[in-house]
Amino acid sequence: NAGVTQTPKFRVLKTGQSMTLLCAQDMNHEYMYWYRQDPGMGLRLIHYSVGEGTTAKGEVPDGYNVSRLKKQNFLLGLESAAPSQTSVYFCATADASYEQYFGPGTRLTVT
Amino acid sequence: DAKTTQPTSMDCAEGRAANLPCNHSTISGNEYVYWYRQIHSQGPQYIIHGLKNNETNEMASLIITEDRKSSTLILPHATLRDTAVYYCIVRVDPAAGNKLTFGGGTRVLVKP
Repeated sequence: NAGVTQTPKFRVLKTGQSMTLLCAQDMNHEYMYWYRQDPGMGLRLIHYSVGEGTTAKGEVPDGYNVSRLKKQNFLLGLESAAPSQTSVYFCATADASYEQYFGPGTRLTVT
Repeated sequence: DAKTTQPTSMDCAEGRAANLPCNHSTISGNEYVYWYRQIHSQGPQYIIHGLKNNETNEMASLIITEDRKSSTLILPHATLRDTAVYYCIVRVDPAAGNKLTFGGGTRVLVKP
């Protein structure tokens, strides 16, 4: 089992460009999350989903959109990237229990 | 969810027990204490959680004070691979959306 995978691993964007980050899981988990982590900081929740077809805002949702069309995939979109969105992005999944499983992260730089 | 306070950093010797404190003085009766860790550049990893009883698993032990206002994560025999940032999180279970709120954590350096 691959667990939680994230695509791409690295990306450099110019200000104003758009992109989509893909999170895929093979654990059949209902819950999926997108976090960002800035240098020296803890993770902050951007958006999350409690099931296929549902999404909800987290702590820092501005500038991002998400979609969960399939249970196994959770997409994070940046419509017009800004330097303030330079960060490491982590996806996580969970079932109804207590543990979240995290992906390896995507390092995004916006110049 | 209750706020937690952790030391910014701490060192410990390889092979010795590492005791990581966490203060959560405003914790409510239905809130659990969770510990995650993040090894450099990787995604966080679940360690352990508890409500009021002490808990132990293959990775660590969790000691919660009787008044539940603080807890200690114990790594019984720290190794160099335990160098990481450790996050103490308090959360209601079941939580809406099963969400976690991360603070700054404690940066633990295990030294030879």
